Amino acid sequence: GIQVEQSPPDLILQEGANSTLRCNFSDSVNNLQWFHQNPWGQLINLFYIPSGTKQNGRLSATTVATERYSLLYISSSQTTDSGVYFCAVDASGGSYIPTFGRGTSLIVHP
Amino acid sequence: GAVVSQHPSRVICKSGTSVKIECRSLDFQATTMFWYRQFPKQSLMLMATSNEGSKATYEQGVEKDKFLINHASLTLSTLTVTSAHPEDSSFYICSARWTPNTEAFFGQGTRLTVV
Repeated sequence: GIQVEQSPPDLILQEGANSTLRCNFSDSVNNLQWFHQNPWGQLINLFYIPSGTKQNGRLSATTVATERYSLLYISSSQTTDSGVYFCAVDASGGSYIPTFGRGTSLIVHP
Repeated sequence: GAVVSQHPSRVICKSGTSVKIECRSLDFQATTMFWYRQFPKQSLMLMATSNEGSKATYEQGVEKDKFLINHASLTLSTLTVTSAHPEDSSFYICSARWTPNTEAFFGQGTRLTVV
């Protein structure tokens, strides 16, 4: 099956700092999503981005499907950004089943 | 975004009993729902995929007789953990999407503790 690798696994920031999270995938994909899992376990949809670039406030994402990676940018980080960020992809070929990476655990200190 | 509601959010049950978890898509019809399990500080592991009106497809290593999945309507899927044991204690999360090539939305998750 498709392999999804996220980096870095852990990230500690001071409030106000910027960061870039990366998601590499081993095969072509139909769908790609970024999620934020909050401390209570809820997965919050950040971006549905199989290709191209999107922005939502302080967050933006870029997927370069031909090179099999996606980037999530967090600018001016806040303590509420803390949590785990997951990338999930559906491999091309018709299965349409989201496969998750291991996530990036982010801690933002005040 | 679309809303997926999962209940209960937390349940404690005795070993040997069964527990049912519900997953509802509140504002859209979900042709496909997924059930995941998550261990502490780990990623989500897919357990099964269910399509409305048909039998669920289980991932390798997931016992279909222990984890019964029913996708009875386009807005409701249930996961029943039968004869629960302490090793079944985990965080279970459901997901739903309108059609295969659309965004997936997740429920709040259910933390199951078997004592």
